[in-house]
Amino acid sequence: GQQLNQSPQSMFIQEGEDVSMNCTSSSIFNTWLWYEQDPGEGPVLLIALYKAGELTSNGRLTAQFGITRKDSFLNISASIPSDVGIYFCAGHTGNQFYFGTGTSLTVIP
Amino acid sequence: SQTIHQWPATLVQPVGSPLSLECTVEGTSNPNLYWYRQAAGRGLQLLFYSVGIGQISSEVPQNLSASRPQDRQFILSSKKLLLSDSGFYLCAYTTDTQYFGPGTRLTVL
Repeated sequence: GQQLNQSPQSMFIQEGEDVSMNCTSSSIFNTWLWYEQDPGEGPVLLIALYKAGELTSNGRLTAQFGITRKDSFLNISASIPSDVGIYFCAGHTGNQFYFGTGTSLTVIP
Repeated sequence: SQTIHQWPATLVQPVGSPLSLECTVEGTSNPNLYWYRQAAGRGLQLLFYSVGIGQISSEVPQNLSASRPQDRQFILSSKKLLLSDSGFYLCAYTTDTQYFGPGTRLTVL
């Protein structure tokens, strides 16, 4: 199935720094989603975006639904050690969800 | 509130043995249900999805099968496991967006 282009693949940052990651697709989506997954656990939904151009925040997280409906970004401000994990984007159309390959985030105290 | 359960949490099975993984959802009616497999903490591969009781769509031809005997129950099965069936299996449901279960770690020896 289709996979989204997610970048960067991994990030190593100092505590307190801001983080930015993005996803692009050749297809248009109706919904963009961002998840975080810890080892051995299921992905947890962070933010859902339903309209092109929509900018949504959830605490220190901010995500945007690209105006072309083919991309989305996620920003994390003032990172803390517990932000460590793998972040996935997902695009939704019809009954199908398509996932990015993940961004592995390491926060150095 | 809506919750999703998967069991077992971990499973070690010999090659050639049968498999049955169960997923149940609470707090919602007629959700779309999904089975994914995830290898090495990345790359969610859609295996099956269901839009209703007895309705199963298969995305990847393989020795796995799925069934939906009740509205909020989704079962992943195999008659004979292969080594390549090892992985992390995730069930998900969709209402306004997609939510994942805690996952089952399957190791085939």
